[in-house]
Amino acid sequence: TQLLEQSPQFLSIQEGENLTVYCNSSSVFSSLQWYRQEPGEGPVLLVTVVTGGEVKKLKRLTFQFGDARKDSSLHITAAQPGDTGLYLCARSSNTGNQFYFGTGTSLTVIP
Amino acid sequence: NAGVTQTPKFRILKIGQSMTLQCAQDMNHNYMYWYRQDPGMGLKLIYYSVGAGITDKGEVPNGYNVSRSTTEDFPLRLELAAPSQTSVYFCASSYSASVFSNEQFFGPGTRLTVL
Repeated sequence: TQLLEQSPQFLSIQEGENLTVYCNSSSVFSSLQWYRQEPGEGPVLLVTVVTGGEVKKLKRLTFQFGDARKDSSLHITAAQPGDTGLYLCARSSNTGNQFYFGTGTSLTVIP
Repeated sequence: NAGVTQTPKFRILKIGQSMTLQCAQDMNHNYMYWYRQDPGMGLKLIYYSVGAGITDKGEVPNGYNVSRSTTEDFPLRLELAAPSQTSVYFCASSYSASVFSNEQFFGPGTRLTVL
């Protein structure tokens, strides 16, 4: 299996705080996707990172792809209750036909 | 566009019963996927299809079957339901396997309980 480890597994913070979640692998991967899943719904893509060292910003969310392309991080600035959800990272197989998901970080932002 | 639709939303099965989970997409996507998500876990790929008439196994295919007779539809069949198949099932689709167009669009899920 193409193991992706995410940490922390659970995170509960106050509105306005900053946080970082991580996605790590022992293997190099060509690209990585971050999804957010709200309760009772399917995941929705936030971003795809492709190049080692790449940084992408989506409003208050900053995504970074490690230089060695074995890890990625998601940083949220000034978290809001609307950021509550399960954050999943995913990588594709070498053929691109299959996807492997991490176990996710469950984030709760308390008003 | 409706995107990816799944039916039913909820189902309770008895051990040994069979059922088909329906999935359809109206985005003309070539790739379709079936995942299961257990509590506190990420998604595990059951089966996938790269186009009509072509299917292949994912990480956890045992106990399931699929077919892809059209581009739009990708049903998942459970032949002999077991308690271990209690899970939330998600169908997804994407345009291609290219890193620049492989965003997966997910359906709302089917919550299945096997008792």
